[in-house]
Amino acid sequence: EAGVAQSPRYKIIEKRQSVAFWCNPISGHATLYWYQQILGQGPKLLIQFQNNGVVDDSQLPKDRFSAERLKGVDSTLKIQPAKLEDSAVYLCASSQGEGEKLFFGSGTQLSVL
Amino acid sequence: SQQGEEDPQALSIQEGENATMNCSYKTSINNLQWYRQNSGRGLVHLILIRSNEREKHSGRLRVTLDTSKKSSSLLITASRAADTASYFCATKDSSYKLIFGSGTRLLVRP
Repeated sequence: EAGVAQSPRYKIIEKRQSVAFWCNPISGHATLYWYQQILGQGPKLLIQFQNNGVVDDSQLPKDRFSAERLKGVDSTLKIQPAKLEDSAVYLCASSQGEGEKLFFGSGTQLSVL
Repeated sequence: SQQGEEDPQALSIQEGENATMNCSYKTSINNLQWYRQNSGRGLVHLILIRSNEREKHSGRLRVTLDTSKKSSSLLITASRAADTASYFCATKDSSYKLIFGSGTRLLVRP
């Protein structure tokens, strides 16, 4: 069974630039999550999708972050414009049911200079 | 905001010893999960325990849940150098979100 795919693996940008991350969940998983993990901390939930719809985006900085999940499968997370404090690992995960066992991708390590 | 908080923040043991990590949380939960993260990698699910369960085993892992104290513990028996990683608890509340704690960094010395 293929796992959760994420790209790119690493990204270095300057502040005020924009960046996009892509995630392909495990086939058949209805729930998709984006987490932000700052070095030395636990993952923080940014947004949770159930199929096409957003279940929770209460911690997504909506003035600069946006996410979409087209056709209930792939998802993209965008940051525009990036700030220094956005430097983190962005993790995508999927699960069959909401809040059940999560399968994580390897993450995208973002450095904002 | 963080729901679960792990204790200790860091733990160093000798290979072959047991490692115990604790997780405390604040609100009622549906389930509690433990994950492992090796450096620079994504998280890997270890075990899920539901609110009506008190103990669960998986290989060398033993998880307990005390809902009256809002706490859980993860015991790794006969630790190996390969167990060196960060361990996170995550709680699912009634809103179906899965919220992670800040983690315990475990070092197993050969």
